[in-house]
Amino acid sequence: DAGVTQSPTHLIKTRGQHVTLRCSPISGHKSVSWYQQVLGQGPQFIFQYYEKEERGRGNFPDRFSARQFPNYSSELNVNALLLGDSALYLCASSRVDGSGNTIYFGEGSWLTVV
Amino acid sequence: EDQVTQSPEALRLQEGESSSLNCSYTVSGLRGLFWYRQDPGKGPEFLFTLYSAGEEKEKERLKATLTKKESFLHITAPKPEDSATYLCAVQPTGFQKLVFGTGTRLLVSP
Repeated sequence: DAGVTQSPTHLIKTRGQHVTLRCSPISGHKSVSWYQQVLGQGPQFIFQYYEKEERGRGNFPDRFSARQFPNYSSELNVNALLLGDSALYLCASSRVDGSGNTIYFGEGSWLTVV
Repeated sequence: EDQVTQSPEALRLQEGESSSLNCSYTVSGLRGLFWYRQDPGKGPEFLFTLYSAGEEKEKERLKATLTKKESFLHITAPKPEDSATYLCAVQPTGFQKLVFGTGTRLLVSP
């Protein structure tokens, strides 16, 4: 079975622009979460979606938004990009609502804001 | 506030030299403690989930243990291919998020 897939793998944006990152969970997984990982730090939780509804939100500004589609894939959107948004954005999926189940991560999308 | 502290920040071992990585945590209630391996430029690779104090899990040269305040990742007779950053994370009760530490960078020399 394919793992968690993310696209694009790398992208460069200019300050003030908008970016959309995409994630396809493992087949059969209905929960998708997004994390931001800055170089040298551990991943920071941004959002969690389950059955197309937002179930959790981390301490990120309203410039960050996400949604989950009927096929359980997900998009993370970031508006008005800042230099500090440069990071590895990780998508994670799990079978049920994250409890008592393995949480798998994708390879991430590297975002550079210039 | 839920918090995870990993030590040491970096560890250099000779091939075959066993050691342990520490993960100390404070959490209101623990749903699970996760260990991941992360290679440079890659996403975290799942290793273990531990759910209750006293639990132990093993995979090849790795063994994870859990107490009420900390977890250890024991590496027995490591090989150069074990070089990576090892991340520890807790999942608080009632929440779906993972709270990560900053990781331990392990380098195993031949």
